[in-house]
Amino acid sequence: EDQVTQSPEALRLQEGESSSLNCSYTVSGLRGLFWYRQDPGKGPEFLFTLYSAGEEKEKERLKATLTKKESFLHITAPKPEDSATYLCAVRVFPSGSYDKVIFGPGTSLSVIP
Amino acid sequence: DTGVSQDPRHKITKRGQNVTFRCDPISEHNRLYWYRQTLGQGPEFLTYFQNEAQLEKSRLLSDRFSAERPKGSFSTLEIQRTEQGDSAMYLCASSQARSLTDGDTEAFFGQGTRLTVV
Repeated sequence: EDQVTQSPEALRLQEGESSSLNCSYTVSGLRGLFWYRQDPGKGPEFLFTLYSAGEEKEKERLKATLTKKESFLHITAPKPEDSATYLCAVRVFPSGSYDKVIFGPGTSLSVIP
Repeated sequence: DTGVSQDPRHKITKRGQNVTFRCDPISEHNRLYWYRQTLGQGPEFLTYFQNEAQLEKSRLLSDRFSAERPKGSFSTLEIQRTEQGDSAMYLCASSQARSLTDGDTEAFFGQGTRLTVV
C-alpha cells in the first residue's frame, strides 16, 4: 500500500537554529514529490516539486532534496515567521487507475524568538 | 484570477442536515480536487475531476458524499445526512494536466471550508 510518513511530528527550534524535516515514502510509480506549507486554519501553500533522485530546489531559507526513498526539507537560520505545518505529498500512478496525490501527516514547526 | 476560492469559509450544521460547499478553481486549470483534513492530519483525498469528468473517488467516501463539476468550471461537494464524524476542513485544489494519463503540475489549494456538525 502506498504510504507517506513524516518526521518528526513536531519540531521546536530557536531562531537561527538550522534543522531538517524528513518525508519517507513507500509507493510504486512515483511521479513527483511536493512540499507544502500550511498555516493554522488555512489551505496548504505550494513550496516545491521534485521529480527525480538527486534533485534539489531552494526558496529563501528552505531547501528541498530528494532520494529514491525520502525527501528532506532543510531550514537554514529559521525565523519565527517560518512557524507552520510542513506537508509532504507524492503523486503516484497505480496500475489500472489514474494518478493520485497522497499526503503525509505533516511536521509542525515552531520557531522561538 | 487570484486563486482557488471556496465558499463558505465556515459552516455549522445540525446532525442529519444536508450541506453543500462550492469551489471555484483557477480559471485555466482543468483538474479539480476535493480533500478532507482533520486536526493534526494531512489532507485526505476524496475525489477529483478532469474538466467535467469525475475520474477518481476515494473508497473511503460514503454514499452520503457527492461531488459535481457540471461545466468543467466550479464544483460542488454535497454531504447528505451529516454526522458528527463529518466535522473537518474540506479543501479544494486545482491544477493543469496535459492529458488523462499525464501527470499534472502542482496543485494550488483554496482556504478551505470548516464544517462543524453539532
